[in-house]
Amino acid sequence: AQSVTQLDSHVSVSEGTPVLLRCNYSSSYSPSLFWYVQHPNKGLQLLLKYTSAATLVKGINGFEAEFKKSETSFHLTKPSAHMSDAAEYFCALWGGSFKTIFGAGTRLFVKA
Amino acid sequence: SAVISQKPSRDICQRGTSLTIQCQVDSQVTMMFWYRQQPGQSLTLIATANQGSEATYESGFVIDKFPISRPNLTFSTLTVSNMSPEDSSIYLCSVAEGRNEQYFGPGTRLTVT
Repeated sequence: AQSVTQLDSHVSVSEGTPVLLRCNYSSSYSPSLFWYVQHPNKGLQLLLKYTSAATLVKGINGFEAEFKKSETSFHLTKPSAHMSDAAEYFCALWGGSFKTIFGAGTRLFVKA
Repeated sequence: SAVISQKPSRDICQRGTSLTIQCQVDSQVTMMFWYRQQPGQSLTLIATANQGSEATYESGFVIDKFPISRPNLTFSTLTVSNMSPEDSSIYLCSVAEGRNEQYFGPGTRLTVT
């Protein structure tokens, strides 16, 4: 069975401090993994993706994620949070079934 | 990357009625998907719609409630039938270009009163 677990439903950081959003996955296949962001009343925007190339993936807006097969993790990080980063973040997996499976989401709050 | 538009962007409907949501893509794509995002929740796949074949529905979703059309490689519709307040959600169209590229429309925000 394939699944995605986002370990935190809410994360709160201060502006200028690092961001860590955690994601674990389970897949029988070699997965493709994604992070999406959804701002209030907006659609989903792809932040970055891992597709079996480099394990450290850089995305838009300064975000990056590292694929760790031994830990079945794909955590999203950013060195310095900005107020505009406040949004809902979804980790997702594309496995062997041609479907994308989404995690439950992590809401990021950024305090001034 | 594919550009996807949806109509309507939002609607308020009365219970018992039906709403058809349109999804238009700017390029030909084989695989299209319809997702539902209930308030405060993640995305749940409703069905996969491939041109020339019947839509494949996920567990918990049935064709009578969510009929889907896929007349060509750039267009699809999802109908939410006999609506109840529990159907209040964002409905998103998505297309895939293989396993590595998936794009989402802006969504249709439905409120059922």
